[in-house]
Amino acid sequence: AQTVTQSQPEMSVQEAETVTLSCTYDTSESDYYLFWYKQPPSRQMILVIRQEAYKQQNATENRFSVNFQKAAKSFSLKISDSQLGDAAMYFCAYRRAIYNQGGKLIFGQGTELSVKP
Amino acid sequence: DADVTQTPRNRITKTGKRIMLECSQTKGHDRMYWYRQDPGLGLRLIYYSFDVKDINKGEISDGYSVSRQAQAKFSLSLESAIPNQTALYFCATSAPSGSTGANVLTFGAGSRLTVL
Repeated sequence: AQTVTQSQPEMSVQEAETVTLSCTYDTSESDYYLFWYKQPPSRQMILVIRQEAYKQQNATENRFSVNFQKAAKSFSLKISDSQLGDAAMYFCAYRRAIYNQGGKLIFGQGTELSVKP
Repeated sequence: DADVTQTPRNRITKTGKRIMLECSQTKGHDRMYWYRQDPGLGLRLIYYSFDVKDINKGEISDGYSVSRQAQAKFSLSLESAIPNQTALYFCATSAPSGSTGANVLTFGAGSRLTVL
């Protein structure tokens, strides 16, 4: 079975600095998708960024980028120029790229990010 | 209006009571999911449904049941609530495989349930 591990329960960053959140996963599949979701205090789950495993290029969305290392099964999230609004719980998630899996996501434990002014 | 609406947003109940959490969506998606969030455990899948006639158990379905009343509605029930079912519950939807947005889940705002 696939698993997702976030080994950093809490992280802290100074405003305007850069922070990297770690995620590792375990799978025997070769084709899959990886995601980072943000959960602010409002508790809404917000998609931050996604990566297709068949793409070698790392995904980027404005200040958010990933370092996808397929062989190492690592998927870290880098937040540049951190802002106070980035403070939230961040979840890494995995999805198999097989039709009958129906889009189920497997989530990591989460990393609570605080941003200091 | 939100694409995925969950009711109630917050609920406190007592052990042994029957509780229903409701979810409705305007996305037109056929796939719907119920997740449970606990501190330190992330989100875990309770049940999922591909369409009205298709219901599947997730990794932690014991103590829960679901009903897919229509394509847009997917309810989660706790027949006899117990304290360790205290958690934040999320409903989510996704489009069919192969369609635009198939790989992305759209979440509701969550229902916080406390069982005393």
